[in-house]
Amino acid sequence: SQTIHQWPATLVQPVGSPLSLECTVEGTSNPNLYWYRQAAGRGLQLLFYSVGIGQISSEVPQNLSASRPQDRQFILSSKKLLLSDSGFYLCAWRDTGGEQPQHFGDGTRLSIL
Amino acid sequence: AQKVTQAQTEISVVEKEDVTLDCVYETRDTTYYLFWYKQPPSGELVFLIRRNSFDEQNEISGRYSWNFQKSTSSFNFTITASQVVDSAVYFCALSDGFSGGYQKVTFGTGTKLQVIP
Repeated sequence: SQTIHQWPATLVQPVGSPLSLECTVEGTSNPNLYWYRQAAGRGLQLLFYSVGIGQISSEVPQNLSASRPQDRQFILSSKKLLLSDSGFYLCAWRDTGGEQPQHFGDGTRLSIL
Repeated sequence: AQKVTQAQTEISVVEKEDVTLDCVYETRDTTYYLFWYKQPPSGELVFLIRRNSFDEQNEISGRYSWNFQKSTSSFNFTITASQVVDSAVYFCALSDGFSGGYQKVTFGTGTKLQVIP
């Protein structure tokens, strides 16, 4: 069966520090991968998606970046965090095909001080 | 462009009441897919159901039921005899029917359901 792992679960970082959040998927190959951000009490904002290794598309311009170094690994990074980067970050995967549901990781709660 | 509207921001019901969560969508695609997800307080989103644009049959799963009406572009979700464990944020989502590469997924803003014991 397929599983998705996302870590860390919580993170507290000072403004201006770097960020690296990692997400890995097991039990499937060539999944579509997604990073979302959810501000407190708000909906989901799509940040990045990837349809294959090294293929990253950005939905919202910001100081975040994403990489997909391996088929089932998706990394969210920042060189310098801003206060506005606080939020709940969710990684998701789905098999190719519009009918496929997305499957989400447990999320990372990021607080910027 | 795709759009999903969940007009109800927050709903409170007393346990055992029935509650309906509304979802209205917009798309120009003739083939598309609709989803409902549940986000409990712990944070992870859980997939509940998928509906294809060419299948308007309503579906019932235990206390959950879904009413899909293409004529009104709605995909509403009803919880019968609500329970405290149903307290969560519920998201409706729309995916286009493109069969290759990336399929765009649009989420509604969510409805927070609070079931009061």
